[in-house]
Amino acid sequence: QVQLQESGPGLVKTSETLSLTCTVSGGSISSYYWSWIRQPPGQGLEWIGYMYYTGSTNYNPSLKSRVTMSVDTSKNQFSLKLNSVTAADTAVYFCARAQSPKRFDYWGQGALVTVSS
Amino acid sequence: QTVVTQEPSFSVSPGGTVTLTCGLSSGSVSTSYYPSWYQQPPGQAPRTLIYTTNTRSSGVPDRFSGSILGNKAALTITGAQADDESDYYCVLYMGSGILVFGGGTKLTVL
Repeated sequence: QVQLQESGPGLVKTSETLSLTCTVSGGSISSYYWSWIRQPPGQGLEWIGYMYYTGSTNYNPSLKSRVTMSVDTSKNQFSLKLNSVTAADTAVYFCARAQSPKRFDYWGQGALVTVSS
Repeated sequence: QTVVTQEPSFSVSPGGTVTLTCGLSSGSVSTSYYPSWYQQPPGQAPRTLIYTTNTRSSGVPDRFSGSILGNKAALTITGAQADDESDYYCVLYMGSGILVFGGGTKLTVL
């Protein structure tokens, strides 16, 4: 069974860079798309972007200028960096696997990141 | 910018049937948007229910079904159970690799 686990600092200072890693177990990171999705407290889900295991990426246009995703196939991990964060970036961040760019199949449990000065 | 619309809330009686919809602020949803549906119980991560309009994800009971109804994508739950009480989100593929979530529907079973 494929499992995904997010990890990273739970508190980030305003204007700094949020960094999260998703570790994939029970399957290879190769041949799939890997996504990040976030959910501000009490609000809905927002797609951040995805990365194919080869390194090609596609980002939400509203976040594109601040987002970088990367993959480390040797560690079966992929990562998210979001720079110049503000309180509006406070959210639970989920990583997810996608069979295609059009939908998700497996999800991580989510990691809460709070942005505060 | 196109917005994906969902009913903010819905209620259903135990054993009843409910249909949640997913539309566009401008235009009609078709299979070309590859609509997918996700269930998020309170305090939990989302779970994939339906993809490519009407394909159930592995392990999803056949009480859940997807379709296109008129100009919207639809998720129908038959024989509603207490643990179906969750938030339900649709996702549409907008082309050029862009995905957009709907605002979600909070389903109450009572």
